[in-house]
Amino acid sequence: QVQLQQSGPGLVKPSQTLSLTCAISGDSVSSSTAAWIWIRQSPSRGLEWLGRTYYRSKWYNDYAVSVKSRITINPDTSKNQLSLQLDSVTPEDTAAYYCAKEYCSGGSCARTGFDPWGQGTLVIVSS
Amino acid sequence: QSALTQPRSVSGSPGQSVTISCTGTSSDVGAYNYVSWYQQHPGKAPKLMIYDVSKRPSGVPDRFSGSKSGNTASLTISGLQAEDEADYSCCSYAGTYTFEVVFGGGTKLTVL
Repeated sequence: QVQLQQSGPGLVKPSQTLSLTCAISGDSVSSSTAAWIWIRQSPSRGLEWLGRTYYRSKWYNDYAVSVKSRITINPDTSKNQLSLQLDSVTPEDTAAYYCAKEYCSGGSCARTGFDPWGQGTLVIVSS
Repeated sequence: QSALTQPRSVSGSPGQSVTISCTGTSSDVGAYNYVSWYQQHPGKAPKLMIYDVSKRPSGVPDRFSGSKSGNTASLTISGLQAEDEADYSCCSYAGTYTFEVVFGGGTKLTVL
């Protein structure tokens, strides 16, 4: 059973970098079938897909256009976890941040099906 | 403003059926069979209920079903139960030249 455990600060100052980690148990961040996702949710913007990382003989990343210039998602194979960094944050980046895995069944994975999810981390951007 | 349009709220009585719509465009919902639905109770992470338009993950009751027609996807919940009261959000692949995923704004389901 795959479980995702998030950690990171809940308060970040404007213009600084938001950093979160997602520890994976029951699977490998280097999975050759699934991708690992970051999603955020705020009352004003709803759910918002931020990006993903995945391994297919080498590492790949895809990022949402809205945050592409500010986001980095990195795998850490030594700790079996993934991280999220979002630079130059503003109060608009205040949200609950979730990591998730693509849902896989029968050897294939769903492009927009995400399961399981981490427990979520509420990040407030404020001075 | 979310990329996919959902009604703000729907309601139904126990035992009844309700349908939640999710309207996109020919660049997302209408272009791909990669629509998913999520259930979210207050203070909890979203839970995957439907993926690839109509497939159910293991453990999801068959009271939940999904479909798509043109640019509109739908989630139908039959035999409503009190525990179905939650927010439901749709999600679609929207990539043309880059990988992109979009969500709907969410629908509050009230079980009367």
